[in-house]
Amino acid sequence: QVTLKESGPGILQPSHTLSLTCSFSGFSLSTYGMGVSWIRQPSGKGLEWLASIWWNGNTYNNPSLKSRLTVSKDTSNNQAFLKVTSVDTADTATYYCAHTRYNSGYGYYFDYWGQGVMVTVSS
Amino acid sequence: EIVLTQSPTTMAASPGEKVTLTCLASSSVNYMYWYQQKSSASPKLLIYYTSSLASGVPDRFSGSGSGTSYSLTISSMEAEDAAIYYCLQLTSTPPTFGAGTKLELK
Repeated sequence: QVTLKESGPGILQPSHTLSLTCSFSGFSLSTYGMGVSWIRQPSGKGLEWLASIWWNGNTYNNPSLKSRLTVSKDTSNNQAFLKVTSVDTADTATYYCAHTRYNSGYGYYFDYWGQGVMVTVSS
Repeated sequence: EIVLTQSPTTMAASPGEKVTLTCLASSSVNYMYWYQQKSSASPKLLIYYTSSLASGVPDRFSGSGSGTSYSLTISSMEAEDAAIYYCLQLTSTPPTFGAGTKLELK
């Protein structure tokens, strides 16, 4: 059974760095085809993909956030991390991590999602 | 990036009614994915690879389409289906979601 849970600071000030942790069980980020993706959702609005990290260490970021995103993993402890630098009020959102499955010939998709963690950027 | 346009934006359906939601892509995609989100819960995968039913999803849900036009169908509306439905494309980076269709119970 795959489960994921996000954790983060709750509130932080503009210009600071947001650090989020995704703790998961039911799969290993060292297994072929496994990945973790980060997606966010401002309150009452739609979903935005942020970044993905794969079993082989490859990472992909949303170009719209330029170089503000860093995604990493700790395979031994079943955790993935997201850092967002220079946050402002537009980064206020619920942040989700999602188990990402890759199937050769078909591509990948997000199947299991965490419950989300709300992050507020405010001075 | 590929833009996904969902229609309608909002709709209401009566119990037992057939519901069809549409997602149009600005460029051709290989597959479409559909998610259901209720209240403040996290999105739940309904359909992957355009027409494959995710584990545990009732078979009244189905997906179809190709190229730039895709749809999600609920064969017989139930009260628990009231939610927001999002389509997602993963053919092109970055992955993009539609703005969602809010489905209400009439």
